[in-house]
Amino acid sequence: QVQLQQSGPGLVKPSQTLSLTCVISGDSVSSNSAAWAWIRQSPSRGLECLGRTFYRSQWYNDYAVFVESRITFIPDTSKNQFSLQLNSVTPEDTAVYYCARDEATAMAFDIWGQGTMVVVSS
Amino acid sequence: DIQMTQSPSSLSASVGDRVTITCRASQTISNYLNWYQQKPGKAPKLLIYATSNLQSGVPSRFSGSGSGTDFTLTISSLQREDFATYSCQQSYNTPLTFGGGTKVEIK
Repeated sequence: QVQLQQSGPGLVKPSQTLSLTCVISGDSVSSNSAAWAWIRQSPSRGLECLGRTFYRSQWYNDYAVFVESRITFIPDTSKNQFSLQLNSVTPEDTAVYYCARDEATAMAFDIWGQGTMVVVSS
Repeated sequence: DIQMTQSPSSLSASVGDRVTITCRASQTISNYLNWYQQKPGKAPKLLIYATSNLQSGVPSRFSGSGSGTDFTLTISSLQREDFATYSCQQSYNTPLTFGGGTKVEIK
């Protein structure tokens, strides 16, 4: 049974870096049949996929254009986890953040983390 | 980016009703359309992938259809546990995008 467990702070100050981690159990971050995504949800913008990291003989990231100048995904095979870093946050980055598995056969997000409410405020 | 538009944004229905939710893509996405159910305070749950394939464990009263730009999620006989928000998502190309959601409420 695949599970994703998220961790990270719920409050970040403006201009600082939002950092979240997603630990994978029951699958591998370097699986050739999955990609690992960060998705956020806010009342104003709904569900937004920030991008994915995945391994296909080498590591790839595909970042959403609206955050690509500020975002980094970091896979860690030794801990079987992947992390999100979002720099220079503003109050518009306030949202619930989810990690999720994008399963290659279904091409859908079939496993989700529990979600982390992140508030950007001084 | 591919825009996903759902209708209606909300609806009221009774237990036992047949419910239909529509999702339209701004360009053709073949059959790369997924549906999710979300309850308050919880992560979305995958219901249907690739337009019409039921995810394991999902009741058969849920079904999906469509192709190209127009897609439908149908609940054949609404149950109490189905009151939730439903969202579509295209996996045709990046950025992967979601519809705005349809909230199904109790009449």
